[in-house]
Amino acid sequence: GENVEQHPSTLSVQEGDSAVIKCTYSDSASNYFPWYKQELGKRPQLIIDIRSNVGEKKDQRIAVTLNKTAKHFSLHITETQPEDSAVYFCAAQRPMLTFGGGTRLMVKP
Amino acid sequence: KAGVTQTPRYLIKTRGQQVTLSCSPISGHRSVSWYQQTPGQGLQFLFEYFSETQRNKGNFPGRFSGRQFSNSRSEMNVSTLELGDSALYLCASSLTGYNEQFFGPGTRLTVL
Repeated sequence: GENVEQHPSTLSVQEGDSAVIKCTYSDSASNYFPWYKQELGKRPQLIIDIRSNVGEKKDQRIAVTLNKTAKHFSLHITETQPEDSAVYFCAAQRPMLTFGGGTRLMVKP
Repeated sequence: KAGVTQTPRYLIKTRGQQVTLSCSPISGHRSVSWYQQTPGQGLQFLFEYFSETQRNKGNFPGRFSGRQFSNSRSEMNVSTLELGDSALYLCASSLTGYNEQFFGPGTRLTVL
């Protein structure tokens, strides 16, 4: 089955800095890659997603890049704010969603 | 549209008991997936139902089962509870199962 690895497990940045979270997947047939943000005590919420026919997607301060050849995708958050502090999960779908282990992002004011 | 809802929100059970969790998807969504979330194992896929049929299944023992009704509401059942079943159980709905999944608030199950 699909295996998704996510790094780093924790990430601490200063407010205004950029944050990058990386994921690798094992099944080359995976074709949908969402990113979820989960704040403490809340449900995961989709923040951005990308399909295998697209290399990059951007939404304001958030961007995702996908390298199908290398089987890895990354989340980029620019101009981080304290409210970006949360756990972020990447996932790959083939056919069900397999999640990475999560990254705890802490943005220090 | 109303979001995904789950009941109950909290449950305390003892080993050997069984439990049923309920999930009401967003109106019009036909796919419901269930996940187990624990600090050690992260988010793990249990199973997915689409149009009342189990379409995909994760690597969980047969004690974990589910079903989906004609109105797309889904239930998950865990029999012969073990201490290791303590977790947050999340359901997620989507239109087809191959696009954005919307999560419910989860049911926190504690097994004593």
